[in-house]
Amino acid sequence: ETGVTQSPTHLIKTRGQQVTLRCSSQSGHNTVSWYQQALGQGPQFIFQYYREEENGRGNFPPRFSGLQFPNYSSELNVNALELDDSALYLCASSWGQGGQETQYFGPGTRLLVL
Amino acid sequence: AQRVTQPEKLLSVFKGAPVELKCNYSYSGSPELFWYVQYSRQRLQLLLRHISRESIKGFTADLNKGETSFHLKKPFAQEEDSAMYYCALSPYSGGGADGLTFGKGTHLIIQP
Repeated sequence: ETGVTQSPTHLIKTRGQQVTLRCSSQSGHNTVSWYQQALGQGPQFIFQYYREEENGRGNFPPRFSGLQFPNYSSELNVNALELDDSALYLCASSWGQGGQETQYFGPGTRLLVL
Repeated sequence: AQRVTQPEKLLSVFKGAPVELKCNYSYSGSPELFWYVQYSRQRLQLLLRHISRESIKGFTADLNKGETSFHLKKPFAQEEDSAMYYCALSPYSGGGADGLTFGKGTHLIIQP
């Protein structure tokens, strides 16, 4: 069984740029959720994708967008980067839509915006 | 909107002592509650969830709806329990997804 993987591990961007983060879900899982974890905080829900459709969204602006592919891997895109977007971005996969399924987390991508 | 509060940022106890990590939540419906743990240099992983009523690594947690709490307990702490612990809530009860709402976490240090 392959766990959740994320790429890249680290990334440095400048304000105003765009970034794409990638996630491969655990085998057998069809749902991917993305979270942002700022320093000293718990993860905060960005959105969830279920069978290639956005299934739910947290309190994040539209410049945070995503995709899910037929193999259930996913991308998180952030446009017009701001300094406050500097954080650890976590991807989690699960079987079935909704938040009550056990979610399995990847190691995260650490984004620094200068 | 739902909220999860972990009042202790840092908790330090001696090996063999009892441990209690506090978690309080606010949510008007029937939530699903979780404890996630992150050991040093490892990814976030599920420790336990209230619906399964399991004891994992000696930890238990009871959902108290009256006090809106889901405290994590272990009678005798071990050094390998040192980690970051997050309490999380899922409000989803059908249709769509709101994801997990996490507390800010408690750093548990077990002293030898």
